[in-house]
Amino acid sequence: QKEVEQDPGPLSVPEGAIVSLNCTYSNSAFQYFMWYRQYSRKGPELLMYTYSSGNKEDGRFTAQVDKSSKYISLFIRDSQPSDSATYLCAMTQRASTGTASKLTFGTGTRLQVTL
Amino acid sequence: GAGVSQSPSNKVTEKGKDVELRCDPISGHTALYWYRQRLGQGLEFLIYFQGNSAPDKSGLPSDRFSAERTGESVSTLTIQRTQQEDSAVYLCASSLYGPGPYFGPGTRLLVL
Repeated sequence: QKEVEQDPGPLSVPEGAIVSLNCTYSNSAFQYFMWYRQYSRKGPELLMYTYSSGNKEDGRFTAQVDKSSKYISLFIRDSQPSDSATYLCAMTQRASTGTASKLTFGTGTRLQVTL
Repeated sequence: GAGVSQSPSNKVTEKGKDVELRCDPISGHTALYWYRQRLGQGLEFLIYFQGNSAPDKSGLPSDRFSAERTGESVSTLTIQRTQQEDSAVYLCASSLYGPGPYFGPGTRLLVL
């Protein structure tokens, strides 16, 4: 079993829809949770960064973490064609130095927002 | 400010040749990471540098892979005697405290 599980999709939604992307994980030591967006032939772009359980909102994006269930979500409101990309969840412990230790990634969910 | 940069952006090599991939992290970032992404797959951890601490090399797939970093600056990932299965995008990232890490655009390696 992988440490981080993510449905690869593809997920196709109409413009304006609310998108829900999810990951589950097995390592209870993970403390920091990230969502990255990756466009084709580009490097991953950090979208959201959260610590421990709770919600975080940034514009049309909301990240949720439920550590008791080992489940994280990314919601995209009013989805746009420009949101079409692969979304990768990532998680990590924190090193004693304060920086992130190595990240463990999900395989990514490919999202297509259609007109 | 400038983000993480990587060079070359694309590299085509013949099986058995050695290659060097370069990463310039964001200035002041103490942590530097290398990941590999095979076509249609997720990111695979290779190695992690943190300041002057011993690097975490636990992800290097074989002894043909090595990486160096001088201080808190440039890092080089070297692959010796390349094999076709080494074909992938090699991604570098860096971070300091707080949000991150931030990724570069990657080097696309094709081994013929």
